[in-house]
Amino acid sequence: DQQVKQNSPSLSVQEGRISILNCDYTNSMFDYFLWYKKYPAEGPTFLISISSIKDKNEDGRFTVFLNKSAKHLSLHIVPSQPGDSAVYFCAASGHPYLDMRFGAGTRLTVKP
Amino acid sequence: DSGVTQTPKHLITATGQRVTLRCSPRSGDLSVYWYQQSLDQGLQFLIQYYNGEERAKGNILERFSAQQFPDLHSELNLSSLELGDSALYFCASSVRSGTGNNEQFFGPGTRLTVL
Repeated sequence: DQQVKQNSPSLSVQEGRISILNCDYTNSMFDYFLWYKKYPAEGPTFLISISSIKDKNEDGRFTVFLNKSAKHLSLHIVPSQPGDSAVYFCAASGHPYLDMRFGAGTRLTVKP
Repeated sequence: DSGVTQTPKHLITATGQRVTLRCSPRSGDLSVYWYQQSLDQGLQFLIQYYNGEERAKGNILERFSAQQFPDLHSELNLSSLELGDSALYFCASSVRSGTGNNEQFFGPGTRLTVL
């Protein structure tokens, strides 16, 4: 069963604009949320995380927002750059170091 | 380079066969995770080991099994292979530090093709 859902399989934005990637989850026991970025022929790499005690976490051009009541999180990339073009996976777990559930991924294309 | 290594990179085999995928975690990492990524599917969590013991199980078929050895490397065994088992299999590792940061570091994956 899909406990973590990324309903947009793809997103295309212009360089310099904002990219917003969305993620919904169903399990209210999830407390840790992460975003991973994946380039072709490589394993996913960690991008940014947030725990349920926060509603926002920022790291440079990347900001993750968490709305626990709506069971929704989003990743904002501002400004978007062509090198950001990749597949972005949202992930969630109820406890650090225990099994993490991933969404299906959203393919972001940033056009020059 | 995440520090996690996986072998082989590619594997082509026939239905009904058995294969073993190998993973070496980052130096110092005690947890190893296995994931399957099929076409158009997200990463499906299969199983987690911590310091040699099974810690969590996900959507792992009974035909699949895994283990983590004393040197912390792990193997994923897939048997009675079916066409639908063709996928990318990722291994990830993490260190249990108690900080609450459960970042996992992924290997490059093993692409399995079952013909």
